[in-house]
Amino acid sequence: QKEVEQNSGPLSVPEGAIASLNCTYSDRVSQSFFWYRQYSGKSPELIMSIYSNGDKEDGRFTAQLNKASQYVSLLIRDSQPSDSATYLCAVNLYGGSQGNLIFGKGTKLSVKP
Amino acid sequence: EAEVAQSPRYKITEKSQAVAFWCDPISGHATLYWYRQILGQGPELLVQFQDESVVDDSQLPKDRFSAERLKGVDSTLKIQPAELGDSAMYLCASSRGSGKQYFGAGTRLSVL
Repeated sequence: QKEVEQNSGPLSVPEGAIASLNCTYSDRVSQSFFWYRQYSGKSPELIMSIYSNGDKEDGRFTAQLNKASQYVSLLIRDSQPSDSATYLCAVNLYGGSQGNLIFGKGTKLSVKP
Repeated sequence: EAEVAQSPRYKITEKSQAVAFWCDPISGHATLYWYRQILGQGPELLVQFQDESVVDDSQLPKDRFSAERLKGVDSTLKIQPAELGDSAMYLCASSRGSGKQYFGAGTRLSVL
C-alpha cells in the first residue's frame, strides 16, 4: 500500500512568519513530487513540483526533497492570511504522464493577521 | 489561461438514481484523470485515460461507475445507481506529459 503521510494540523503561524509543511512517502522509488493548495470548497491548485534532491524556489515558496529520507517539505516565507488553506502533498512513482498521483490527507494552514 | 472545464458544479440526487459528470481537459492534454475527494481526505484516483484508452481503472467501482472518453478529448463519468456513500467532490484533472496535473473546479455530489 503506497502511502503519503502529512500532519493534518491545523498549523497556525503569525503573518510574516515562515510556515513549514512536511510530508513523508512510503515508496522509495517515487520519482516526482508535487504540492497543491486547496481553499475550502475549491479544487486543488498546483503550486510546486520537484523531481530531484535539494531545494527548489518559486517566489515565496520553497520545496525541499530528500529521497534518502523519503521526505518532502514546503516552506512558505512571509506568510499571508491569503495563504490560509489546506496543502496537499502528492507523489508519483513515475516521471512524466506515467502512473498517477498518490495524495496525502493535507495539512491545514492558518495564518493569523 | 486555459482551464479544465467541469459540469455541473453541484448535483443533488436521490439514492438509486443515475448521475453523470462531464469534463473537458485543457487543449492538447492527452492524459485525463477522474478523482474522488471525500471531505477531509486527499483526492483518490478513480480512472486515468491516455487519449481514448483507459490506463488505470483499478480503483473504479465498476459495478456502478463507468467512464468514457470516446474521441480522446472530453470525458464523462457516470454513477448508476448512486448510493449515500458516493457523496463527495468529483475532480477531473489533465496533464500534457510532464506529470503536472491541473484540476477543474470539481462537481460536488450530494446523495440523499
